[in-house]
Amino acid sequence: DAGVIQSPRHEVTEMGQEVTLRCKPISGHDYLFWYRQTMMRGLELLIYFNNNVPIDDSGMPEDRFSAKMPNASFSTLKIQPSEPRDSAVYFCASSPTGGGNTEAFFGQGTRLTVV
Amino acid sequence: GENVEQHPSTLSVQEGDSAVIKCTYSDSASNYFPWYKQELGKRPQLIIDIRSNVGEKKDQRIAVTLNKTAKHFSLHITETQPEDSAVYFCAALYSTLTFGKGTMLLVSP
Repeated sequence: DAGVIQSPRHEVTEMGQEVTLRCKPISGHDYLFWYRQTMMRGLELLIYFNNNVPIDDSGMPEDRFSAKMPNASFSTLKIQPSEPRDSAVYFCASSPTGGGNTEAFFGQGTRLTVV
Repeated sequence: GENVEQHPSTLSVQEGDSAVIKCTYSDSASNYFPWYKQELGKRPQLIIDIRSNVGEKKDQRIAVTLNKTAKHFSLHITETQPEDSAVYFCAALYSTLTFGKGTMLLVSP
């Protein structure tokens, strides 16, 4: 397995534009997590899915953020409209359980810059 | 929800010295405590973990200790090497993983 795959690796966009980040989890993993990493706030959990169903989206900062998981092998995180303060590295991770007692495998991340 | 505090935020040591990173957590129901290492520009990767029924775990030069009563756990790296330079994150699990803000470890040759 190639691991968790995220695309794009880098995204530069103008304020106000829509941004879509993509993630392919490891096959067979039931849980998928979206994290945001910044210097100030570290690694923040935005939302996680279990068997394609969103379980906890309390970390999603605003209504401008939305996430979907239409099937077991694909998830998206969308920001619309984007703002400069959204600039961060966004990680997707998957786990065969809820992260309990097993490793969460991270993708390479998407570095988002909103100008 | 769970709150994880991590200290120090940066740590500089000489090659061969030991390094200790400490974390505290708030939810006594947390039962799993992994440590992740993130090299510059790369993804976080698990290096060691400990469960709540164990007080200490070792893997070569790294070890983790857990004090459930005090709700703190620590990462110990002995005989540090320049390739240990990275950001280290602790985490605690109750329903989901909550991460500390990370410690940047710099090992000078």
